[in-house]
Amino acid sequence: EDQVTQSPEALRLQEGESSSLNCSYTVSGLRGLFWYRQDPGKGPEFLFTLYSAGEEKEKERLKATLTKKESFLHITAPKPEDSATYLCAVQGAGATNKLIFGTGTLLAVQP
Amino acid sequence: NAGVTQTPKFQVLKTGQSMTLQCAQDMNHNSMYWYRQDPGMGLRLIYYSASEGTTDKGEVPNGYNVSRLNKREFSLRLESAAPSQTSVYFCASSAITGAYEQYFGPGTRLTVT
Repeated sequence: EDQVTQSPEALRLQEGESSSLNCSYTVSGLRGLFWYRQDPGKGPEFLFTLYSAGEEKEKERLKATLTKKESFLHITAPKPEDSATYLCAVQGAGATNKLIFGTGTLLAVQP
Repeated sequence: NAGVTQTPKFQVLKTGQSMTLQCAQDMNHNSMYWYRQDPGMGLRLIYYSASEGTTDKGEVPNGYNVSRLNKREFSLRLESAAPSQTSVYFCASSAITGAYEQYFGPGTRLTVT
């Protein structure tokens, strides 16, 4: 069964303190791995899609990487406005229309 | 360009009442989706529509029905609401089905008492 596990559940950083969020997945034939950002009371906002192991994508202070078993979202020199819940989702080869979401990592960046 | 819009933003129902959640997108996307988000559970797919005129069940379809009214609009109906349907509901759309990013609406927070 396809599964996504995100860690840690919550992370508190000081402004400027770099760190990484983890997304471990089990899927029968990965078609895509997606990262989203969700602010309180809002819908998920798309960040990145990764398709194959070794692929990397960057956007401002965020960098997403992918291996055959997990993905990392690296946050470099975070700012308070980076505080949000970060969601990871995968789409497997056997489920053409279904994204399997993790429960997210709640990131708080203190000034 | 509003993206994905949803109405209403909040709703309180009594057990047994019915209601329809509305969703519209202006990105000319072919595929649309309904999810529910519960604490500790992650987002779960209720129903989806790969293209205009088609709908299919997702992971948790029981107690819900959908209508793809046209290419822009996809509604979710609760015929007889139950407390277990208390949740936040999100509509999403994507250009086509497959490994393409989905864009989400702002959500509807539903409470069933």
